Amino acid sequence: SQQGEEDPQALSIQEGENATMNCSYKTSINNLQWYRQNSGRGLVHLILIRSNEREKHSGRLRVTLDTSKKSSSLLITASRAADTASYFCATGLTGGGNKLTFGTGTQLKVEL
Amino acid sequence: NAGVTQTPKFQVLKTGQSMTLQCAQDMNHNSMYWYRQDPGMGLRLIYYSASEGTTDKGEVPNGYNVSRLNKREFSLRLESAAPSQTSVYFCASSEEGVSGYTFGSGTRLTVV
Repeated sequence: SQQGEEDPQALSIQEGENATMNCSYKTSINNLQWYRQNSGRGLVHLILIRSNEREKHSGRLRVTLDTSKKSSSLLITASRAADTASYFCATGLTGGGNKLTFGTGTQLKVEL
Repeated sequence: NAGVTQTPKFQVLKTGQSMTLQCAQDMNHNSMYWYRQDPGMGLRLIYYSASEGTTDKGEVPNGYNVSRLNKREFSLRLESAAPSQTSVYFCASSEEGVSGYTFGSGTRLTVV
């Protein structure tokens, strides 16, 4: 079974709105990462948050991590049409080196 | 910088044929990975190499073999292709320790 599960599976918003995606996982982690994948392309690393961190920012991205609830959220503020993509969370397990386990993704569509 | 280069980009095989997917990175990364991506299942780890000279199985290694030829190159071989191996294959690399991955653009493989 997947270690990470994203919610919702699909999200459609208007340009300028904020988009929030959630990720839940099952076992102890040492880090959680978010990736973006445009249709037909490879994944692009967005942000990494370590297990001892609670919040991290990068440009219009804000990631939170709640290890007690085994969950993370990715907030994209002031979304743009170019943000249309699939977003994946990936977890690095404690003692797992730098191997990552990916979730099934959230498909975000930002409409003009 | 090229980053991670995968060849070929597309391939059609007949059941039972063999082929090798090539991957090379020019970022002097220690770790390299092979994932497959299937609809609705996210990315699943096939094999990884934490450093030159070492390889280990991931979540779905059956039917595949790998070679870490040198620090730059990590190839994935299908000895006898099966329709269940129809998928998009991604190679990725990362620095030593906890860090984000750099992905290639993928190989779309169809086994008929």
